[in-house]
Amino acid sequence: TQLLEQSPQFLSIQEGENLTVYCNSSSVFSSLQWYRQEPGEGPVLLVTVVTGGEVKKLKRLTFQFGDARKDSSLHITAAQPGDTGLYLCAGAIRASYGKLTFGQGTILTVHP
Amino acid sequence: DTAVSQTPKYLVTQMGNDKSIKCEQNLGHDTMYWYKQDSKKFLKIMFSYNNKELIINETVPNRFSPKSPDKAHLNLHINSLELGDSAVYFCASSHTKRTGSSGANVLTFGAGSRLTVL
Repeated sequence: TQLLEQSPQFLSIQEGENLTVYCNSSSVFSSLQWYRQEPGEGPVLLVTVVTGGEVKKLKRLTFQFGDARKDSSLHITAAQPGDTGLYLCAGAIRASYGKLTFGQGTILTVHP
Repeated sequence: DTAVSQTPKYLVTQMGNDKSIKCEQNLGHDTMYWYKQDSKKFLKIMFSYNNKELIINETVPNRFSPKSPDKAHLNLHINSLELGDSAVYFCASSHTKRTGSSGANVLTFGAGSRLTVL
């Protein structure tokens, strides 16, 4: 069973601060995805990383896939209240027919 | 135009009852999923169907029975509901890549169905 350890579980910061969320595993994933979920809604895909060492940027969000494809990080620069939500990492392995293993999630609250 | 729609959004019922949650997608995807999100927000896959065929069946009590009448629909029926079944159930769909291909399937989730068992 592939497990994804996501940290921190809770993050409460002031507007303008930077933050990093980590997603770690002892397993190798063929790809890793980050989702954001708002209350009362389903998770929405932010990014997919597939190559070890890959870095992707989405405005103020920077996603990195570890060289060994066992870990990933999400860095948010100058957080805004609109970034508040649940962030989930999810890993996939080949031949898993679409099965994603999710991390426990990070609940981010950005205070004005 | 909701891509993945599930009904009902809220369901409150007594222990021992039988209930169903319906899901429909209009994205033309060939694979559909049921995920369960517990009170700690942990999201775990339950079932997956590809072209109406069951391909993922995690360790789920057999009180849970998925049914896929066609590629666009995946329903979840739960018999003899228990307190521990209380959770938010998410339906999702994707185009599934072939075995061995790189990348991952991009899942589109519904808004969730919150089940409360009293």
